[in-house]
Amino acid sequence: NAGVTQTPKFQVLKTGQSMTLQCAQDMNHEYMSWYRQDPGMGLRLIHYSVGAGITDQGEVPNGYNVSRSTTEDFPLRLLSAAPSQTSVYFCASSSPGGEEEAFFGQGTRLTVV
Amino acid sequence: QQQVKQSPQSLIVQKGGISIINCAYENTAFDYFPWYQQFPGKGPALLIAIRPDVSEKKEGRFTISFNKSAKQFSLHIMDSQPGDSATYFCAASYNTDKLIFGTGTRLQVFP
Repeated sequence: NAGVTQTPKFQVLKTGQSMTLQCAQDMNHEYMSWYRQDPGMGLRLIHYSVGAGITDQGEVPNGYNVSRSTTEDFPLRLLSAAPSQTSVYFCASSSPGGEEEAFFGQGTRLTVV
Repeated sequence: QQQVKQSPQSLIVQKGGISIINCAYENTAFDYFPWYQQFPGKGPALLIAIRPDVSEKKEGRFTISFNKSAKQFSLHIMDSQPGDSATYFCAASYNTDKLIFGTGTRLQVFP
């Protein structure tokens, strides 16, 4: 049972480059989300999805795009990388209702130079 | 606007002691309050969670205390162990899909 898989684990980008962070889950969870983690700021929600074809913005969406074409995958696209996007990115998935926990991936450490 | 405020930012406890981390929230619509534990280089993992219809929940050495009127909740780690050294995040949501996290507490337990 793989859970939530993120790729790559590490990435260095030059300012202005674009890239896609991949996230896949094998738990058939409806909800998926992307967070960024910065020192002293906790985890901040970037974008989230309540199901295939449905996405919405979180707290810090600027500079990022998402799409959800399947239940399993939720890629995060950086359109034109900026040094302010240097961070650790986490993808999470969960099911609605009850006390369903959110499962997190191992994270992608992104550095923009 | 920070919806979930967490303190302290860091905590040093001796082995066997009690670790206490506090959180306060603003949105009265929140109905799910989990605590996540994160080890270096890993993603956060659920430790324990509570809903506002109870004032306390205990799982082993970990206890959540919840005060609905004060809009506060806290994590107590009894008999703290070096293996508990990690970063702890409180969170809140009205659906488990959209968690709002606190800023985290780095706990260090020394032998």
